[in-house]
Amino acid sequence: NAGVTQTPKFRVLKTGQSMTLLCAQDMNHEYMYWYRQDPGMGLRLIHYSVGEGTTAKGEVPDGYNVSRLKKQNFLLGLESAAPSQTSVYFCASSYPGAVLGAFFGQGTRLTVV
Amino acid sequence: DAKTTQPNSMESNEEEPVHLPCNHSTISGTDYIHWYRQLPSQGPEYVIHGLTSNVNNRMASLAIAEDRKSSTLILHRATLRDAAVYYCILRDGGGTSYGKLTFGQGTILTVHP
Repeated sequence: NAGVTQTPKFRVLKTGQSMTLLCAQDMNHEYMYWYRQDPGMGLRLIHYSVGEGTTAKGEVPDGYNVSRLKKQNFLLGLESAAPSQTSVYFCASSYPGAVLGAFFGQGTRLTVV
Repeated sequence: DAKTTQPNSMESNEEEPVHLPCNHSTISGTDYIHWYRQLPSQGPEYVIHGLTSNVNNRMASLAIAEDRKSSTLILHRATLRDAAVYYCILRDGGGTSYGKLTFGQGTILTVHP
């Protein structure tokens, strides 16, 4: 059972380039989330989705777009990368509510030069 | 979102018990107390959660104060592999928060051999 898988694990972008991070989960979870983590800080929510075809903004959504065309996949896009988006990105998924825990991927380390 | 307060860091010796405290004085009736940990260079990992009663699982125990304004994560015998950042998070079980997790700074646990 793979759980939550993020692709790629590492990436270096030049300022202004675009890219898409892929998150895939095999637990049939309704909810999916994208977080970013800057050095020495806790995770901050970028966008989230409560079901196929739905997305919503989190705490730090500017500069990012997301799509959830299939229940198992949640894509995070950077249209024009900036050095301020250098970070580690984590995807998570969970069932609705709070009675069970959320599961996280291993992260994507993105550097924008 | 209701906030939690944790010590910045704690230290323990291997094979000794560790008690990680968390204060959440503004907790609401629908908030579940969740604990996650993040090992170096990994994504957060679910540890345990509870609502009102103390909880035990294979990883840890969670002791919840009677007024629910504080809780303690207990690692019964710390190992070097338990060295991580531990996050105490209130996760709203109600319908409008969509299970979002708000991460603080967490507690850095150092385990000495």
